[in-house]
Amino acid sequence: DAGVTQSPTHLIKTRGQQVTLRCSPKSGHDTVSWYQQALGQGPQFIFQYYEEEERQRGNFPDRFSGHQFPNYSSELNVNALLLGDSALYLCASSLVVTGAGSEKLFFGSGTQLSVL
Amino acid sequence: SQQGEEDPQALSIQEGENATMNCSYKTSINNLQWYRQNSGRGLVHLILIRSNEREKHSGRLRVTLDTSKKSSSLLITASRAADTASYFCATDPLTGGYQKVTFGIGTKLQVIP
Repeated sequence: DAGVTQSPTHLIKTRGQQVTLRCSPKSGHDTVSWYQQALGQGPQFIFQYYEEEERQRGNFPDRFSGHQFPNYSSELNVNALLLGDSALYLCASSLVVTGAGSEKLFFGSGTQLSVL
Repeated sequence: SQQGEEDPQALSIQEGENATMNCSYKTSINNLQWYRQNSGRGLVHLILIRSNEREKHSGRLRVTLDTSKKSSSLLITASRAADTASYFCATDPLTGGYQKVTFGIGTKLQVIP
């Protein structure tokens, strides 16, 4: 049973470029959340996708966008990259349990993005 | 923005000692979770405690939750060098609507052999 997989593992971009990160959730999971983790900080919530729709969003500008496909996999797109976008980007999958609050998140190993 | 805040931010202990980490949060929650992260890679779920629970155990881990004080603690007993990692609390705010799990800034634990 494959866990959460993310690609690529590492990425180097220059300011102003655009980047797409990919995530495949754990088998059987239908919800994907994306997090940004700067060095020495906790993960910051970017947004969450369920049934191909963004249903929660953190305090991130519109340069950050995403998509969820019918097979539940997801992409995170960042446009007009800034130096401050350099971080570890984590994808987490979970299963919706209505009315019970969140369930535990399963994380991928992340994509380390460096913006030069 | 961070919902939770762990204390201390760094902790260094000898192998065999107990490690206690605390988490305070700001708003009412559905549940609280603790995660572990090694070397800045993916986080691993340790334990989930719901808002109507006060204490939960899993192996060498003990988690308490005090919703009146908006705080939680994670106790690792008989620590091992392999427990060296960063530990994060994560909360699911009781705001209605969909789930949104937010993380604290973490406690960096070093267990010295």
